[in-house]
Order: sequence, then structure tokens, then C-alpha cells
Amino acid sequence: AQSVTQPDIHITVSEGASLELRCNYSYGATPYLFWYVQSPGQGLQLLLKYFSGDTLVQGIKGFEAEFKRSQSSFNLRKPSVHWSDAAEYFCAVNSGGSNYKLTFGKGTLLTVNP
Amino acid sequence: DADVTQTPRNRITKTGKRIMLECSQTKGHDRMYWYRQDPGLGLRLIYYSFDVKDINKGEISDGYSVSRQAQAKFSLSLESAIPNQTALYFCATSDRTPTDTQYFGPGTRLTVL
Repeated sequence: AQSVTQPDIHITVSEGASLELRCNYSYGATPYLFWYVQSPGQGLQLLLKYFSGDTLVQGIKGFEAEFKRSQSSFNLRKPSVHWSDAAEYFCAVNSGGSNYKLTFGKGTLLTVNP
Repeated sequence: DADVTQTPRNRITKTGKRIMLECSQTKGHDRMYWYRQDPGLGLRLIYYSFDVKDINKGEISDGYSVSRQAQAKFSLSLESAIPNQTALYFCATSDRTPTDTQYFGPGTRLTVL
């Protein structure tokens, strides 16, 4: 069965600092991978996704993620964090095809200090 | 206008009451989903529907039922609400592209007293 692990429950960074949120997945074949962001009181917004091709994926709001098959990872990065990036971030995996199942990690809460 | 809308956005109810949460979408997607979110547990799938005549249980369907009234509408019911159903509920839709990307509504915060 597919699974997703986000090792960091809570991360605090200073505004302007770089950010990396970790995501590890477990799936036998090449998965479809997603990052979503949930701002306080809001729904989940898709940041970016990977399904094939270039392993470095660009998303909205200046985020990017890199798929590393050898490490079963799909880490999210941003070079310079803004206070508005404070939110909860969820990594998710879908095995694709007719499989409906989108499996989420438990999320990483990002706090941004001024 | 939002592509996926949920009503109500907030609801407080009492134990034993029947309650319905509604979801509508204008994305034209066939697939719709209901999730619940609890702190520290991420999102868990309650029910999903691939079209009007196809409804399936997710991992935590006990105590819930759904109705797919039309392609654009998918409602979730709690027949007899209990306090541990207090949670944030999300509706989502997805397309039939290979990635089956899901798009989420704003959520309904439900409190059962």
C-alpha cells in the first residue's frame, strides 16, 4: 500500500530564510506526487505536482520540488520565505491510472518569524 | 467564483441530530470526494464517487452516508451525529487526466456537542 511520511510536524524559519519541507513516499512504481498548502481557515490549494519528465517541478508562489527516485523523496523548497507562507503543507501520492486513492501525509506546520 | 463550494461553512449541532453537508462544483469533473481532517492525522477519505451511479466507501465511512444528486453535487450526511465526528470536512473533485489531480473546497467546520 502506498504511504507518505512528512518527518517534520512543525518547522519555524525566519522571514527571508530558505525553506525545505521533507516528504518521503512508499510505492512500488513511479507515483504521482503533489504538494498542497492549507492557510489558516482555508481549504487545500495545489502548489505543484509531479507525474513524469523533469524531476524538478516549479509551482505557484515561488515553490519548487524535486523528485528523487533513489531516495523516494519529493521535498518542497523555497529560496526565500515570506510571512504569508505560514501555513500547513501536505504532501500526497497517487498511484495513478484508475486508482482513486490520494494518500496524504500528516502535514508540516510552517511558522515564519519576522 | 469558487469552483468547489461547500455549505455550510460552520455548523454546531447536538449529539443524535441528523446533519447534511453539501458540496457543489462548477469544474465539470466526474469524480468527487469527501474527506475529514483531524489535527495531527492529515486527511482521511470518507466516501468517493466516480459518477452519479458510482459511490464507494473510503477508509472511514462508518457513521456517514452520501448522495450524488447530480454530476455537480455530492452531499455527506451524518445520520446521528456523535462528538467524535467533530472535525473539518472537505469536499474535492478530480479530473480524468492521468494524474487525477484533486481540487478542494474551503471546508466545513463541524462541531458536535
